[in-house]
Amino acid sequence: EAQVTQNPRYLITVTGKKLTVTCSQNMNHEYMSWYRQDPGLGLRQIYYSMNVEVTDKGDVPEGYKVSRKEKRNFPLILESPSPNQTSLYFCASRGSYEQYFGPGTRLTVT
Amino acid sequence: DQQVKQNSPSLSVQEGRISILNCDYTNSMFDYFLWYKKYPAEGPTFLISISSIKDKNEDGRFTVFLNKSAKHLSLHIVPSQPGDSAVYFCAAITTSGTYKYIFGTGTRLKVLA
Repeated sequence: EAQVTQNPRYLITVTGKKLTVTCSQNMNHEYMSWYRQDPGLGLRQIYYSMNVEVTDKGDVPEGYKVSRKEKRNFPLILESPSPNQTSLYFCASRGSYEQYFGPGTRLTVT
Repeated sequence: DQQVKQNSPSLSVQEGRISILNCDYTNSMFDYFLWYKKYPAEGPTFLISISSIKDKNEDGRFTVFLNKSAKHLSLHIVPSQPGDSAVYFCAAITTSGTYKYIFGTGTRLKVLA
């Protein structure tokens, strides 16, 4: 089954404690991206990757890092989380034009 | 600057009637448009798309209309069903370069039984 998986699905953490949200896709897609969804703001792109070792900033990259060492994996790293990063996060991969989204990770930073 | 706008945060429609969700964009370089549907606790899923060379695309109960001169697209759902209750996002991309997606803010559709 073609899918994008994310882990964890829910995470509560404290300010400043480094965390990683994993993302994996099994569709051999070159393009992957991370979004955050906030009320009234829709889906905003954090980072994207056109291929292995090729990443670039999206619209809201501050406070986040990514890496793309393998085609299937695209982890999102928060080196020092802050409360304004409390949000719902989605990983996505894209074949042609349509994107396939993971189930989401709800992150709360206290 | 919101390049893709969905001005109606919510919409309620009776079962069996037509639902019309609207989306406006400002960037004339966008040449491909998509609609996604999102249920609670799930990721968005692709619904239907349209290229800028067309003005209409149908898929079953779902039809997307594109008016390039007005920079406006709409999603029609006929007939609406309770299972269509979800948040709908429109998205626009430029198919040259990085294919960057710009999403609208979403419209929550509630279909009343």
